[in-house]
Amino acid sequence: GQQVQQSPTSLVLQEGENAELQCNFSTSLNSMQWFYQRPGGSLVSVFYNPSGTKQSGRLTSTTVIKERRSSLHISSSQITDSGTYLCAMELSGSFNKLTFGAGTRLAVCP
Amino acid sequence: EAAVTQSPRNKVAVTGGKVTLSCNQTNNHNNMYWYRQDTGHGLRLIHYSYGAGSTEKGDIPDGYKASRPSQENFSLILELATPSQTSVYFCASGEQGTEVFFGKGTRLTVV
Repeated sequence: GQQVQQSPTSLVLQEGENAELQCNFSTSLNSMQWFYQRPGGSLVSVFYNPSGTKQSGRLTSTTVIKERRSSLHISSSQITDSGTYLCAMELSGSFNKLTFGAGTRLAVCP
Repeated sequence: EAAVTQSPRNKVAVTGGKVTLSCNQTNNHNNMYWYRQDTGHGLRLIHYSYGAGSTEKGDIPDGYKASRPSQENFSLILELATPSQTSVYFCASGEQGTEVFFGKGTRLTVV
């Protein structure tokens, strides 16, 4: 079965609204990383967050290893936040190899 | 800033031809990876390497070879390209337990 489950699959927001993206994993892991990707674009690392909470501007990531979940919170969304957000986990014993979720496609409308 | 550079950025190849995708990293990372990204399949690992001279099979290695001649360089080789290998390919580098950095990707079209 799929080891990394992301939800929701897609999300539409009005500019200024908040968003909560979830990533759940079915096995133990070493670390979790969040990426942002524009259509046809490269993967930009948003957070490397193996555990706990990290914040960068309007973005906050929380990883709870025991509960096998990680979340990405976007506050006061902007049109430029539109794109796909991917979570990726480094499984225990996988030596830095990442297993990706399918992504959440976010559209922020004016 | 960590840097992973891929070349070419775009490539059109003919079926049956040989294609080499190159990747260079200036991070002095031991680990390097090749992924492909396809609609409906997400990102999948093709080959990876733990250091110069080593290559390992990932989740979808069939039809691909890899070469790691040095710490900095990691190539993905398609000996006999097929249309099913049309995809976007990403190279990455990292160390165990640390952040992984990706290149900008190579868009390969096999006609």
